[in-house]
Amino acid sequence: KNQVEQSPQSLIILEGKNCTLQCNYTVSPFSNLRWYKQDTGRGPVSLTIMTFSENTKSNGRYTATLDADTKQSSLHITASQLSDSASYICVVSAYGGATNKLIFGTGTLLAVQP
Amino acid sequence: DVKVTQSSRYLVKRTGEKVFLECVQDMDHENMFWYRQDPGLGLRLIYFSYDVKMKEKGDIPEGYSVSREKKERFSLILESASTNQTSMYLCASSLGFFGYTFGSGTRLTVV
Repeated sequence: KNQVEQSPQSLIILEGKNCTLQCNYTVSPFSNLRWYKQDTGRGPVSLTIMTFSENTKSNGRYTATLDADTKQSSLHITASQLSDSASYICVVSAYGGATNKLIFGTGTLLAVQP
Repeated sequence: DVKVTQSSRYLVKRTGEKVFLECVQDMDHENMFWYRQDPGLGLRLIYFSYDVKMKEKGDIPEGYSVSREKKERFSLILESASTNQTSMYLCASSLGFFGYTFGSGTRLTVV
């Protein structure tokens, strides 16, 4: 069964600190892995997308890594800001048919406190 | 940037009402999707469409239907709203396998 599991479920950090969010997946056939940021009451916004051959990708203070062998990904946030408070969703895309199927994790809720 | 616009941010409807959720994208994307998002369950695919007048069931289509008469517009229809359809509804569009963009969401409450 295709699954995406994220940890931790929630996290509280102080402003300026770094943090790392984890994503483990069992998805086949693998196409790509994405990280999204979702502010409360809004739609998800793409942070990074990585294919099988990429093992790291950065977007400002966000750096995603992918280990396709162990089927793990992480999202590292550097020098956190209050505006980083959001839910972070790991999404794995599986090849199939006219359009890829996306399998969503349930997200990590990050709270950055002053 | 691709813009996916959902017509309403918040909706309150009565049980048994017919509800229309509208989604419009402005980048000529072939694929459009409707998801619902519930706490602890993540996003679940209701329906998707890869061409005008084409539709495919997602993982949880029961109680919903869709319409795609024009390429840019994808509508989700709740034929007879029920309280268990209270949720956040998200529309998305994509071109091929990579350019995936979400709308801002519609928070639907059925009372």
